[in-house]
Amino acid sequence: SQQGEEDPQALSIQEGENATMNCSYKTSINNLQWYRQNSGRGLVHLILIRSNEREKHSGRLRVTLDTSKKSSSLLITASRAADTASYFCATDAIGNQFYFGTGTSLTVIP
Amino acid sequence: KAGVTQTPRYLIKTRGQQVTLSCSPISGHRSVSWYQQTPGQGLQFLFEYFSETQRNKGNFPGRFSGRQFSNSRSEMNVSTLELGDSALYLCASSLDQGLTDTQYFGPGTRLTVL
Repeated sequence: SQQGEEDPQALSIQEGENATMNCSYKTSINNLQWYRQNSGRGLVHLILIRSNEREKHSGRLRVTLDTSKKSSSLLITASRAADTASYFCATDAIGNQFYFGTGTSLTVIP
Repeated sequence: KAGVTQTPRYLIKTRGQQVTLSCSPISGHRSVSWYQQTPGQGLQFLFEYFSETQRNKGNFPGRFSGRQFSNSRSEMNVSTLELGDSALYLCASSLDQGLTDTQYFGPGTRLTVL
């Protein structure tokens, strides 16, 4: 079974609104990464947060990590139509296994 | 710097055949990982190579194999193809730390098995 489960599976918002997606995982990790995938640009790395970090920012992105709950969230502020894509969390699990979550499909309506 | 390149981009094979996919990492990157993406199973890790050695391996049958050359280029081979092997195969490269580091993905090879 997959290490990561994402919630919601699909999200539709208006341009300018914030989008939040969540990722839960099952085993201890070294780090957690978020990726975006759309048909035009393939799979693109967004941000990496290590297991000893709790929050990280990159531009309009904010990622939190709660290792006690084995969960992470990705917040995209002031969304744009170009943010329309699928978002995946990926965990580097202890034992050198790399797992992707099931993904959240985000649609930003202009 | 040029990004990760994968060849071919599209491939059609029939059951029982074998296939070899190629990946050229970003210059200076020594780790190459391979992933399979299907609608049903999502993105799954196949294996990672570093310095011509398989460093990590996912849960795929032995029909899936790979190798890495001294210039860090990597190939992935699937033997005795099955219909379920139809997928997008992605390769990713990173500097040294492989799975614990930022990975840069190629555009993928779309394999269709008939």
